[in-house]
Amino acid sequence: DQQVKQNSPSLSVQEGRISILNCDYTNSMFDYFLWYKKYPAEGPTFLISISSIKDKNEDGRFTVFLNKSAKHLSLHIVPSQPGDSAVYFCAASALPNYGQNFVFGPGTRLSVLP
Amino acid sequence: DVKVTQSSRYLVKRTGEKVFLECVQDMDHENMFWYRQDPGLGLRLIYFSYDVKMKEKGDIPEGYSVSREKKERFSLILESASTNQTSMYLCASIPGQGASGANVLTFGAGSRLTVL
Repeated sequence: DQQVKQNSPSLSVQEGRISILNCDYTNSMFDYFLWYKKYPAEGPTFLISISSIKDKNEDGRFTVFLNKSAKHLSLHIVPSQPGDSAVYFCAASALPNYGQNFVFGPGTRLSVLP
Repeated sequence: DVKVTQSSRYLVKRTGEKVFLECVQDMDHENMFWYRQDPGLGLRLIYFSYDVKMKEKGDIPEGYSVSREKKERFSLILESASTNQTSMYLCASIPGQGASGANVLTFGAGSRLTVL
């Protein structure tokens, strides 16, 4: 049973519009969440994180929202750019974390159309 | 910048061959990891190591072993490759608790293994 779900395998968005990628989790012990971006033939790169003491974290065009009661988080990209086209992985863990208990979702492939 | 280097980007092996995947990180991180990535399954942890000569099983260790003789190097070994081990293999590292960046995995570029 997947503890971290990304129910949309793919998403297409027009350049300049908002991209919203969703992630749901089942384990109420998770209290730290990350988003990674992965281009083909490259390793995942860290994008943004949020801990459970917050409900929002922003970094430039990227904002992550956390709804603990719904066990749901989302990544907003505004405005979307063609270079954002990649696979996005949501990951969750329970702190303290030495890296061994990150649980990754299956990923969502974002295509930003010019 | 932290760098995690996987020496082999693409490998093609035959069933039954022994396969070594090498990973080196240059930032003195204590903890190193091997994941495999398959479509629709995300990243699954194979093995990790929190110190030299120490190793722990992850979620899918069957058919794999690891070696960590030096702090900077973590090797993944497939003793007898099988077709269901065709995958993208990702190495990652993370510093020890309390260090800067202690809660963010840094990944290598990946090694795509095809077993025929």
